[in-house]
Amino acid sequence: QKEVEQNSGPLSVPEGAIASLNCTYSDRGSQSFFWYRQYSGKSPELIMFIYSNGDKEDGRFTAQLNKASQYVSLLIRDSQPSDSATYLCAVNVGDSSYKLIFGSGTRLLVRP
Amino acid sequence: DTAVSQTPKYLVTQMGNDKSIKCEQNLGHDTMYWYKQDSKKFLKIMFSYNNKELIINETVPNRFSPKSPDKAHLNLHINSLELGDSAVYFCASSQTSGSYAYEQYFGPGTRLTVT
Repeated sequence: QKEVEQNSGPLSVPEGAIASLNCTYSDRGSQSFFWYRQYSGKSPELIMFIYSNGDKEDGRFTAQLNKASQYVSLLIRDSQPSDSATYLCAVNVGDSSYKLIFGSGTRLLVRP
Repeated sequence: DTAVSQTPKYLVTQMGNDKSIKCEQNLGHDTMYWYKQDSKKFLKIMFSYNNKELIINETVPNRFSPKSPDKAHLNLHINSLELGDSAVYFCASSQTSGSYAYEQYFGPGTRLTVT
């Protein structure tokens, strides 16, 4: 059974701090990794995707991938109260780029 | 200029009824998906169509039947609704290149409540 695991949180950080969200996955064949943000009652919104080991930066967001450790993380710099949401990690099933498995999400709370 | 849209947004119905949810995307993508998000917020793939061909068919009761009349539309019909079908159903779409599917974009969701 392929799995994606996230700490459910809540992860509470003060405004302006760096929030670090982590995700581990079980399928060594996975090639595509995604972070989605979901506000309560809304749909998942794509934040970042990463395919290669290392870091990928986009504005205040940095995705980090370590395939050897089967670990992907999302760093949010200068966290804002508007970043408060649930962050979903999604990983493709090794032999299918179409099929994604989602983690249960980490709830982030940014305190003003 | 909504990218992925779904109708209806809310659906309240009684057990045993049959209902449909519709999805449309104007992103020019060729692959569409149905996901179910239950009360515990787990988001699970149900079906996927690529160019109107069913490519993902997860272990879903056969009361659920997807249909894709064209690349831009994907519908979900549910027969004999049960209490356990209550959830939020999300449609998503992505572009493919060869056999590779790129990132998926989600619609606003349809909250189905079965009473």
